Amino acid sequence: GAVVSQHPSWVICKSGTSVKIECRSLDFQATTMFWYRQFPKQSLMLMATSNEGSKATYEQGVEKDKFLINHASLTLSTLTVTSAHPEDSSFYICSARDLAGPSSYNEQFFGPGTRLTVL
Amino acid sequence: AQSVTQLDSHVSVSEGTPVLLRCNYSSSYSPSLFWYVQHPNKGLQLLLKYTSAATLVKGINGFEAEFKKSETSFHLTKPSAHMSDAAEYFCVVSSLNEKLTFGTGTRLTIIP
Repeated sequence: GAVVSQHPSWVICKSGTSVKIECRSLDFQATTMFWYRQFPKQSLMLMATSNEGSKATYEQGVEKDKFLINHASLTLSTLTVTSAHPEDSSFYICSARDLAGPSSYNEQFFGPGTRLTVL
Repeated sequence: AQSVTQLDSHVSVSEGTPVLLRCNYSSSYSPSLFWYVQHPNKGLQLLLKYTSAATLVKGINGFEAEFKKSETSFHLTKPSAHMSDAAEYFCVVSSLNEKLTFGTGTRLTIIP
Protein backbone atom coordinates (compact mmCIF):
# COMPACT_ATOMS: atom_id res chain seq x y z
CA GLY A 1 0.00 0.00 0.00
CA ALA A 2 0.81 3.75 -0.06
CA VAL A 3 2.32 3.85 -3.53
CA VAL A 4 2.98 7.11 -5.35
CA SER A 5 3.79 7.17 -9.05
CA GLN A 6 5.22 9.89 -11.25
CA HIS A 7 5.05 10.28 -14.99
CA PRO A 8 7.20 10.63 -16.91
CA SER A 9 10.26 9.21 -15.18
CA TRP A 10 12.48 11.32 -17.41
CA VAL A 11 11.94 13.98 -20.03
CA ILE A 12 14.13 15.98 -22.36
CA CYS A 13 12.76 19.17 -23.85
CA LYS A 14 13.88 22.21 -25.76
CA SER A 15 14.35 25.56 -24.09
CA GLY A 16 11.16 27.60 -24.13
CA THR A 17 8.75 24.69 -24.10
CA SER A 18 6.52 23.59 -21.23
CA VAL A 19 6.64 20.24 -19.49
CA LYS A 20 3.96 18.61 -17.35
CA ILE A 21 4.78 16.11 -14.63
CA GLU A 22 2.08 13.99 -13.02
CA CYS A 23 2.02 12.68 -9.48
CA ARG A 24 -0.53 10.04 -8.53
CA SER A 25 -1.37 8.27 -5.30
CA LEU A 26 -2.27 4.80 -6.53
CA ASP A 27 -3.96 3.19 -3.56
CA PHE A 28 -4.88 6.01 -1.20
CA GLN A 29 -6.36 9.48 -1.24
CA ALA A 30 -4.31 12.57 -0.58
CA THR A 31 -5.69 16.04 0.04
CA THR A 32 -2.14 17.29 0.23
CA MET A 33 0.77 16.56 -2.05
CA PHE A 34 4.20 18.11 -2.01
CA TRP A 35 6.62 18.96 -4.80
CA TYR A 36 10.36 18.89 -4.22
CA ARG A 37 13.36 19.72 -6.35
CA GLN A 38 16.73 18.03 -6.02
CA PHE A 39 19.91 19.22 -7.68
CA PRO A 40 22.71 16.71 -8.29
CA LYS A 41 24.32 15.51 -5.09
CA GLN A 42 22.16 17.84 -3.01
CA SER A 43 19.23 17.51 -0.67
CA LEU A 44 15.55 17.90 -1.45
CA MET A 45 14.10 21.39 -1.36
CA LEU A 46 10.38 21.85 -0.93
CA MET A 47 8.94 23.89 -3.78
CA ALA A 48 5.25 23.93 -2.99
CA THR A 49 2.40 22.28 -1.16
CA SER A 50 -0.43 21.17 -3.41
CA ASN A 51 -3.91 21.21 -1.92
CA GLU A 52 -6.83 19.45 -3.57
CA GLY A 53 -9.42 21.93 -4.75
CA SER A 54 -7.46 25.04 -3.85
CA LYS A 55 -4.38 27.00 -4.82
CA ALA A 56 -0.96 25.65 -4.09
CA THR A 57 1.23 27.21 -1.44
CA TYR A 58 4.67 28.07 -2.74
CA GLU A 59 7.87 28.30 -0.75
CA GLN A 60 9.79 31.53 -0.71
CA GLY A 61 11.78 32.05 -3.88
CA VAL A 62 9.73 29.67 -6.04
CA GLU A 63 8.06 31.37 -9.00
CA LYS A 64 4.41 30.37 -9.02
CA ASP A 65 3.95 31.51 -12.61
CA LYS A 66 6.79 29.31 -13.75
CA PHE A 67 5.93 26.22 -11.76
CA LEU A 68 2.18 25.74 -12.17
CA ILE A 69 0.60 23.26 -9.82
CA ASN A 70 -2.84 21.76 -10.19
CA HIS A 71 -4.39 19.32 -7.73
CA ALA A 72 -7.58 18.34 -9.50
CA SER A 73 -8.47 15.25 -7.53
CA LEU A 74 -7.59 13.37 -4.37
CA THR A 75 -5.19 11.17 -6.31
CA LEU A 76 -3.57 13.48 -8.86
CA SER A 77 -1.38 16.55 -8.75
CA THR A 78 0.47 18.01 -11.71
CA LEU A 79 3.49 20.27 -11.94
CA THR A 80 3.96 22.20 -15.17
CA VAL A 81 7.31 23.84 -15.80
CA THR A 82 6.48 26.69 -18.16
CA SER A 83 8.95 28.15 -20.66
CA ALA A 84 11.62 25.81 -19.42
CA HIS A 85 15.27 26.84 -19.47
CA PRO A 86 18.45 24.83 -18.89
CA GLU A 87 18.64 26.03 -15.28
CA ASP A 88 15.31 24.27 -14.65
CA SER A 89 17.00 20.94 -15.32
CA SER A 90 16.69 18.96 -12.13
CA PHE A 91 15.17 15.93 -10.42
CA TYR A 92 11.59 16.65 -9.39
CA ILE A 93 10.04 14.49 -6.69
CA CYS A 94 6.50 14.52 -5.38
CA SER A 95 5.11 13.11 -2.17
CA ALA A 96 1.67 12.54 -0.73
CA ARG A 97 0.20 12.07 2.70
CA ASP A 98 -2.42 9.40 3.23
CA LEU A 99 -5.71 11.08 4.14
CA ALA A 100 -6.77 8.07 6.17
CA GLY A 101 -3.44 7.66 7.92
CA PRO A 102 -2.74 8.76 11.48
CA SER A 103 -1.95 12.42 11.68
CA SER A 104 0.46 12.07 14.53
CA TYR A 105 3.61 11.66 12.51
CA ASN A 106 3.08 13.33 9.14
CA GLU A 107 4.58 10.54 7.07
CA GLN A 108 4.82 11.31 3.40
CA PHE A 109 5.09 8.73 0.64
CA PHE A 110 7.42 9.67 -2.18
CA GLY A 111 7.22 9.13 -5.88
CA PRO A 112 10.22 7.79 -7.83
CA GLY A 113 11.03 11.21 -9.26
CA THR A 114 11.16 12.78 -12.71
CA ARG A 115 14.44 13.84 -14.25
CA LEU A 116 14.00 16.91 -16.43
CA THR A 117 16.71 17.94 -18.87
CA VAL A 118 16.23 21.20 -20.77
CA LEU A 119 18.44 21.64 -23.80
CA ALA B 1 11.31 26.64 13.22
CA GLN B 2 12.98 23.31 12.58
CA SER B 3 16.28 22.19 11.17
CA VAL B 4 18.36 19.09 10.67
CA THR B 5 22.12 18.70 10.65
CA GLN B 6 23.75 15.61 9.23
CA LEU B 7 27.22 15.69 10.61
CA ASP B 8 28.95 13.67 7.91
CA SER B 9 28.56 14.25 4.19
CA HIS B 10 30.30 10.97 3.40
CA VAL B 11 30.83 7.78 5.41
CA SER B 12 32.83 4.77 4.26
CA VAL B 13 32.75 1.42 6.04
CA SER B 14 33.89 -2.07 5.21
CA GLU B 15 31.34 -4.73 4.42
CA GLY B 16 30.30 -6.52 7.60
CA THR B 17 31.27 -3.68 9.94
CA PRO B 18 28.87 -1.38 11.84
CA VAL B 19 27.33 1.70 10.29
CA LEU B 20 26.73 4.98 12.13
CA LEU B 21 25.15 7.96 10.39
CA ARG B 22 24.76 10.98 12.64
CA CYS B 23 21.86 13.40 12.76
CA ASN B 24 21.02 16.29 15.08
CA TYR B 25 17.76 18.19 14.94
CA SER B 26 16.17 21.37 16.18
CA SER B 27 12.43 21.83 16.58
CA SER B 28 10.14 24.15 18.49
CA TYR B 29 7.61 21.37 18.98
CA SER B 30 7.71 17.66 19.62
CA PRO B 31 9.11 16.46 16.34
CA SER B 32 8.54 13.48 14.15
CA LEU B 33 11.83 12.20 12.77
CA PHE B 34 12.53 10.05 9.77
CA TRP B 35 15.39 8.42 7.94
CA TYR B 36 15.04 7.96 4.19
CA VAL B 37 17.37 6.18 1.77
CA GLN B 38 17.84 7.14 -1.86
CA HIS B 39 19.61 4.95 -4.37
CA PRO B 40 21.04 6.61 -7.51
CA ASN B 41 18.36 8.16 -9.71
CA LYS B 42 15.62 6.72 -7.53
CA GLY B 43 12.98 8.13 -5.23
CA LEU B 44 13.11 8.01 -1.47
CA GLN B 45 12.36 4.96 0.62
CA LEU B 46 11.43 5.25 4.27
CA LEU B 47 13.81 3.34 6.53
CA LEU B 48 12.22 4.18 9.86
CA LYS B 49 10.31 6.84 11.76
CA TYR B 50 10.06 8.19 15.29
CA THR B 51 6.62 9.36 16.36
CA SER B 52 6.88 9.95 20.13
CA ALA B 53 6.47 6.31 21.05
CA ALA B 54 9.48 4.09 21.78
CA THR B 55 12.76 5.98 21.59
CA LEU B 56 14.58 3.07 19.94
CA VAL B 57 13.10 2.62 16.52
CA LYS B 58 13.68 -0.40 14.34
CA GLY B 59 13.38 -0.08 10.60
CA ILE B 60 13.79 -2.09 7.47
CA ASN B 61 16.96 -3.87 6.33
CA GLY B 62 18.37 -4.09 9.84
CA PHE B 63 18.60 -0.36 10.46
CA GLU B 64 17.62 1.28 13.72
CA ALA B 65 17.79 4.72 15.29
CA GLU B 66 17.56 6.07 18.80
CA PHE B 67 15.81 9.30 19.66
CA LYS B 68 17.73 11.15 22.37
CA LYS B 69 15.92 14.28 23.41
CA SER B 70 18.66 15.45 25.77
CA GLU B 71 21.16 15.35 22.93
CA THR B 72 18.66 16.34 20.18
CA SER B 73 20.01 13.45 18.17
CA PHE B 74 18.56 10.71 16.00
CA HIS B 75 21.53 8.70 14.79
CA LEU B 76 21.06 5.81 12.37
CA THR B 77 22.88 2.53 12.97
CA LYS B 78 23.23 -0.94 11.52
CA PRO B 79 25.31 -3.72 13.07
CA SER B 80 26.72 -5.10 9.85
CA ALA B 81 26.94 -3.27 6.53
CA HIS B 82 26.00 -4.91 3.27
CA MET B 83 27.05 -3.86 -0.21
CA SER B 84 23.43 -3.05 -1.05
CA ASP B 85 23.40 -0.41 1.69
CA ALA B 86 25.49 1.92 -0.45
CA ALA B 87 23.25 4.92 -1.05
CA GLU B 88 22.39 8.44 0.07
CA TYR B 89 20.69 8.75 3.44
CA PHE B 90 18.56 11.67 4.56
CA CYS B 91 17.53 12.56 8.09
CA VAL B 92 14.23 14.44 8.10
CA VAL B 93 12.27 16.35 10.74
CA SER B 94 8.62 17.29 10.71
CA SER B 95 6.44 19.17 13.12
CA LEU B 96 2.99 20.70 13.31
CA ASN B 97 2.82 22.20 9.83
CA GLU B 98 3.46 18.85 8.12
CA LYS B 99 6.36 20.23 6.15
CA LEU B 100 9.42 18.04 6.02
CA THR B 101 12.84 19.56 6.48
CA PHE B 102 15.63 17.48 4.98
CA GLY B 103 19.21 17.23 6.09
CA THR B 104 21.92 17.64 3.50
CA GLY B 105 22.38 13.91 3.20
CA THR B 106 25.12 11.39 3.95
CA ARG B 107 26.58 9.29 1.19
CA LEU B 108 27.36 5.80 2.48
CA THR B 109 30.05 3.85 0.68
CA ILE B 110 30.64 0.19 1.43
CA ILE B 111 34.15 -1.16 0.90
CA PRO B 112 34.27 -4.81 -0.22
